[in-house]
Amino acid sequence: KQEVTQIPAALSVPEGENLVLNCSFTDSAIYNLQWFRQDPGKGLTSLLLIQSSQREQTSGRLNASLDKSSGRSTLYIAASQPGDSATYLCAVRPAKAGGTSYGKLTFGQGTILTVHP
Amino acid sequence: GAVVSQHPSRVICKSGTSVKIECRSLDFQATTMFWYRQFPKQSLMLMATSNEGSKATYEQGVEKDKFLINHASLTLSTLTVTSAHPEDSSFYICSASRGGYTFGSGTRLTVV
Repeated sequence: KQEVTQIPAALSVPEGENLVLNCSFTDSAIYNLQWFRQDPGKGLTSLLLIQSSQREQTSGRLNASLDKSSGRSTLYIAASQPGDSATYLCAVRPAKAGGTSYGKLTFGQGTILTVHP
Repeated sequence: GAVVSQHPSRVICKSGTSVKIECRSLDFQATTMFWYRQFPKQSLMLMATSNEGSKATYEQGVEKDKFLINHASLTLSTLTVTSAHPEDSSFYICSASRGGYTFGSGTRLTVV
């Protein structure tokens, strides 16, 4: 059974700092990994999607890396801003087609990020 | 980009009544939709997988008679919480698959 762990559970930093959020997963047979942002009481917004064959993806100040063999992904946030405050979730999609888990995402518990001015 | 619309965003209902939540993919066809439940400060728990034109597949421990899922078209899936009780109060989120996953904005259900 796939398990996804995110570290740290919470992070509070001053504005301007560069951040690293960590995500690890136990089963390396993944199709892709996705990072999401969730604001309080809201749905999820997709930030970055990394296919299993890719090593990293970048979007603006965000960079996500994937090391499938070691079961790790990191989300790097450059020059953090108060508007980045939210919960960040990583989720993995299994690679095995046809099984009962096909297409089902497994989420980590999330990292609650607070960036203060 | 892909957009998934979920309604209502908030609903308060009396114990024993039923509530329907809608999830629509606005600009793409979703053969598969997923329904999640999220408790405060916890991650998302998959409740069921909804496939267009067929019965939903429920995760272990989810009561299919309480959480009725219908996926009658490629753009609409509904979740009905039947005979709701206070313990059903939660945040419910749908998502549709199109390569990656697009999520609705969620529904905060409060049963009083």
